[in-house]
Amino acid sequence: GENVEQHPSTLSVQEGDSAVIKCTYSDSASNYFPWYKQELGKGPQLIIDIRSNVGEKKDQRIAVTLNKTAKHFSLHITETQPEDSAVYFCAATKARGGSYIPTFGRGTSLIVHP
Amino acid sequence: EPEVTQTPSHQVTQMGQEVILRCVPISNHLYFYWYRQILGQKVEFLVSFYNNEISEKSEIFDDQFSVERPDGSNFTLKIRSTKLEDSAMYFCASSLAGGLTDTQYFGPGTRLTVL
Repeated sequence: GENVEQHPSTLSVQEGDSAVIKCTYSDSASNYFPWYKQELGKGPQLIIDIRSNVGEKKDQRIAVTLNKTAKHFSLHITETQPEDSAVYFCAATKARGGSYIPTFGRGTSLIVHP
Repeated sequence: EPEVTQTPSHQVTQMGQEVILRCVPISNHLYFYWYRQILGQKVEFLVSFYNNEISEKSEIFDDQFSVERPDGSNFTLKIRSTKLEDSAMYFCASSLAGGLTDTQYFGPGTRLTVL
């Protein structure tokens, strides 16, 4: 089955700095990679995603890169703000039976200090 | 903005008891999912549900688990005889369609504590 590793588990930055979270996956059949943000007391919410036929995608201050050959993908947040503080999960998605199911990383707790 | 809701937010039960976790998916969504997250571990897929039947289930989803859509709005997860290791946060999610890039919207979770 798929295995997703995520690093670091905790990331502490100063407001305005950049933050990078890295993930690797094991199954080359995975072809869609969403990133989720989980704030305290809430469920994970999709913030950005990338398909396997794309190398990079950007949405304002967040960007995701994918190296399909090396099986790793990363989340980049620029100009971090205190409201970016949350737990971030990467996931690798592939077809399983009649569904598309994400396998999640362990999560990164991002702390942005004002 | 429509959202997935879950009740209760926290459920405490004795080992061996049955629990039912409830979810109200977004109203026009057709695909429904349950995930769980044991404290400090990864979010794990349990089951997906479409057209009143299970589409896919993981090895975790054994005979003690069942899902049901008893009416047009609720989606439930039943654990028949809870074990200590069932203690976890359980997330419900829904999506409009079941395609590769169709966004799954997660509820806030139910924390289940088995004593």
